[in-house]
Amino acid sequence: AQSVTQPDIHITVSEGASLELRCNYSYGATPYLFWYVQSPGQGLQLLLKYFSGDTLVQGIKGFEAEFKRSQSSFNLRKPSVHWSDAAEYFCAVGARYAGNNRKLIWGLGTSLAVNP
Amino acid sequence: EPEVTQTPSHQVTQMGQEVILRCVPISNHLYFYWYRQILGQKVEFLVSFYNNEISEKSEIFDDQFSVERPDGSNFTLKIRSTKLEDSAMYFCASRLTRGSYEQYFGPGTRLTVT
Repeated sequence: AQSVTQPDIHITVSEGASLELRCNYSYGATPYLFWYVQSPGQGLQLLLKYFSGDTLVQGIKGFEAEFKRSQSSFNLRKPSVHWSDAAEYFCAVGARYAGNNRKLIWGLGTSLAVNP
Repeated sequence: EPEVTQTPSHQVTQMGQEVILRCVPISNHLYFYWYRQILGQKVEFLVSFYNNEISEKSEIFDDQFSVERPDGSNFTLKIRSTKLEDSAMYFCASRLTRGSYEQYFGPGTRLTVT
C-alpha cells in the first residue's frame, strides 16, 4: 500500500542554521511528490513539487528538495532557517497514473520550531 | 491570484446534528477534493469529485457523508449526523485538468462536535 513516512515529529533549529526534513515513501512506481507547509491557523501552502526531470527541485521561501529514487526519499532542505519558517511541514505523494483521481497520501508531518 | 475559499472557518455543532461545509474552488478547475485532519494525525483523503460525480472515496466516507456541487461555483461536504470523532479540520482542494497534478487547498474549516 502507498504510504509516506516523516520520521521526525518535532525538530528545533536555531535561526540561521541549515535544515533538512526527511520524507520516505512507499509506492509501486515513481509517484509525484509534494511538500506543503501549514502555519498555525492557516491552510496548506505548496512549497514545491516533483513530477519528473531534474531531481533537485526549488520551491518558494528558499526551500529545495531532492528526489532520490534509490532511497525512496524526498527530503526538504533550506540552507538558512528564518524564524518565520516555524510551522508544520507535510510530505505528500500522489499516483502518477490514477486517471481522474490523483488523491494525495500524506505523512504525519514534522513540526519545526526555530530558536532565535 | 485565484484561491480556494472555505466557509465557515470554524463550526461548532452538537452530536447528531447535520453540518454543511462549503468550498469555492478555483473557477476553471475541474477536479475537487475533500480531506480531513484530526488533531495530531495525518491529513486523510475523503473523496474526489469530477463531472458531477464521485470518482473515488475512502472508507472514512460512509453513508453519513455526501458531496454536492449545487451550482457552478460551490462544492459542499455534508455530514448528516455528526459524531464526536468527526471533529477535525476539513480541507477542500481543487485541480485544474486531467493532466495536471497540483492540488490547491483552501484554508480549512475546523469542525468541533460537542
